Amino acid sequence: KNQVEQSPQSLIILEGKNCTLQCNYTVSPFSNLRWYKQDTGRGPVSLTIMTFSENTKSNGRYTATLDADTKQSSLHITASQLSDSASYICVVSPPGGANNLFFGTGTRLTVIP
Amino acid sequence: DTEVTQTPKHLVMGMTNKKSLKCEQHMGHRAMYWYKQKAKKPPELMFVYSYEKLSINESVPSRFSPECPNSSLLNLHLHALQPEDSALYLCASSQGREGAPLHFGNGTRLTVT
Repeated sequence: KNQVEQSPQSLIILEGKNCTLQCNYTVSPFSNLRWYKQDTGRGPVSLTIMTFSENTKSNGRYTATLDADTKQSSLHITASQLSDSASYICVVSPPGGANNLFFGTGTRLTVIP
Repeated sequence: DTEVTQTPKHLVMGMTNKKSLKCEQHMGHRAMYWYKQKAKKPPELMFVYSYEKLSINESVPSRFSPECPNSSLLNLHLHALQPEDSALYLCASSQGREGAPLHFGNGTRLTVT
């Protein structure tokens, strides 16, 4: 069964600290993995997209890693800011475009001063 | 600000009402999507339009009726909804090719009374 599991479910960190969010998936075959940030009451915004041949990709303070062999990905946030408070969703796509995406249930990150 | 615009931002309707949600994008994307998102859950795919034709209907009840008047516009017509249909309705668009990210709007928060 194609599944995407994220951990932790929620996380609270102090401003300025680093954190790492995890994503494990069983989707096969696999085309790409995306991390999205979703602020409360708003639509998700793409942070990174990685194909099976990529093992790391950065977007500012966000760095995503991918191990296609173990089917694991992580999202590392450096020097967290209050504006990083949001849900982070891991989305895995089999071949065929964006019509058949598997969404994780997300990690709710809260950054406190 | 998102490049996908959704109106209205909030909608409250009774179970006998007829209303429509609207979505617009001017990025030249040929694929457009409707998603439904309940609180603390990932988005669930409802409909996909590719080149203005309905290509995927994820067994959505007929009280939801999508329409794609042209390549930039996507509507969702609502009739005889139930209270459990209350959710955030997200529109998204993409280039439709492999690996292309979804661009989400900020959604319409729908409450059915």
